[in-house]
Amino acid sequence: SQQGEEDPQALSIQEGENATMNCSYKTSINNLQWYRQNSGRGLVHLILIRSNEREKHSGRLRVTLDTSKKSSSLLITASRAADTASYFCATESGAGSYQLTFGKGTKLSVIP
Amino acid sequence: DGGITQSPKYLFRKEGQNVTLSCEQNLNHDAMYWYRQDPGQGLRLIYYSQIVNDFQKGDIAEGYSVSREKKESFPLTVTSAQKNPTAFYLCASSEDRRPYEQYFGPGTRLTVT
Repeated sequence: SQQGEEDPQALSIQEGENATMNCSYKTSINNLQWYRQNSGRGLVHLILIRSNEREKHSGRLRVTLDTSKKSSSLLITASRAADTASYFCATESGAGSYQLTFGKGTKLSVIP
Repeated sequence: DGGITQSPKYLFRKEGQNVTLSCEQNLNHDAMYWYRQDPGQGLRLIYYSQIVNDFQKGDIAEGYSVSREKKESFPLTVTSAQKNPTAFYLCASSEDRRPYEQYFGPGTRLTVT
């Protein structure tokens, strides 16, 4: 079952602009992860935020987590053409679960 | 270089044939996973394994089988019982402790006609 739902499904911006993607989920989580997938390739882990954290930064990436609203956002600042990819959120849930539950992704196009 | 390899990158089969997809990792990870991805969709878990000689069904295990005889290897067989096998298959691995950050292979695109 898919827990995370990304919004929007697709996003097109100009190079240099910021891109914001949102993820909503349904049940309590231990952590939430964001992954990037270039077309026809495997996924690459970008950043992880734990349930007791509210904000995390990594380079041009900023992730926020609001557990009361069961939502997260990924901000990519000063986007580049190379950021063009699909972005997925994945939630890690309860005790004993090894599974990540992935959303359907946001397809980001950065126009040079 | 440490990582996950999947082979082949593209695979074509006739309907009714079983086909096995390879996944090998040299990251010394205990846990391994198989996902299916359809166009415009997220990843759906087929099977996962936390330890050698043990594996668990995921959300869409019907028509698939796996084995885990070695820590490094987790092959997936798509059987003729899988009604719609054409898809992009991704293998991943992670350490056997939280958080389960997963490392993915490059994927195998299977086309069945």
